[in-house]
Amino acid sequence: SQQGEEDPQALSIQEGENATMNCSYKTSINNLQWYRQNSGRGLVHLILIRSNEREKHSGRLRVTLDTSKKSSSLLITASRAADTASYFCATDRSGNTPLVFGKGTRLSVIA
Amino acid sequence: NAGVTQTPKFQVLKTGQSMTLQCAQDMNHNSMYWYRQDPGMGLRLIYYSASEGTTDKGEVPNGYNVSRLNKREFSLRLESAAPSQTSVYFCASSSGPFSYEQYFGPGTRLTVT
Repeated sequence: SQQGEEDPQALSIQEGENATMNCSYKTSINNLQWYRQNSGRGLVHLILIRSNEREKHSGRLRVTLDTSKKSSSLLITASRAADTASYFCATDRSGNTPLVFGKGTRLSVIA
Repeated sequence: NAGVTQTPKFQVLKTGQSMTLQCAQDMNHNSMYWYRQDPGMGLRLIYYSASEGTTDKGEVPNGYNVSRLNKREFSLRLESAAPSQTSVYFCASSSGPFSYEQYFGPGTRLTVT
């Protein structure tokens, strides 16, 4: 069963613009992770945010977590054509429960 | 370091045939996973091995078996393939279970006719 649901399902922006995608989940979580998947490739880990953290940065990525709303957002600033990919959120409810992935947001960055 | 490797990359099977998907990691990770990815469905966990010598069912284990051969290798077996098992299969590993970041292989695209 899907725990996380990404929104929007697809997003198309111009190079240089910011891209924001959201993830909502249903039950309390331990950690939330974001992954990127380029077409035809495996997933690549981007960032992990713990349930007691509210914001995290990594390069051009900014992740926020609002546990009261059971939601997270991933912001990619100054997007590039190479950012074109699908982005997935994944949550675990505790250290002993499997990671559950959402269905992903397909991001297209047009040069 | 090769990371996580999977063989084969592509496979076509007829209904009822069997096959084994191979996965190996060279990062000395304790935990390994098998997922399947279907269009519009995200990734679903088939089986996992939290540590060498243990395996457990995930969300969609029916029709599959696994073997954690040693710390490096984790194989997935389809005993009698069905068209519903047409999918892309990903192996992943992590240093610890679940709360840790996972490293994915390139995937195996399987078609069952």
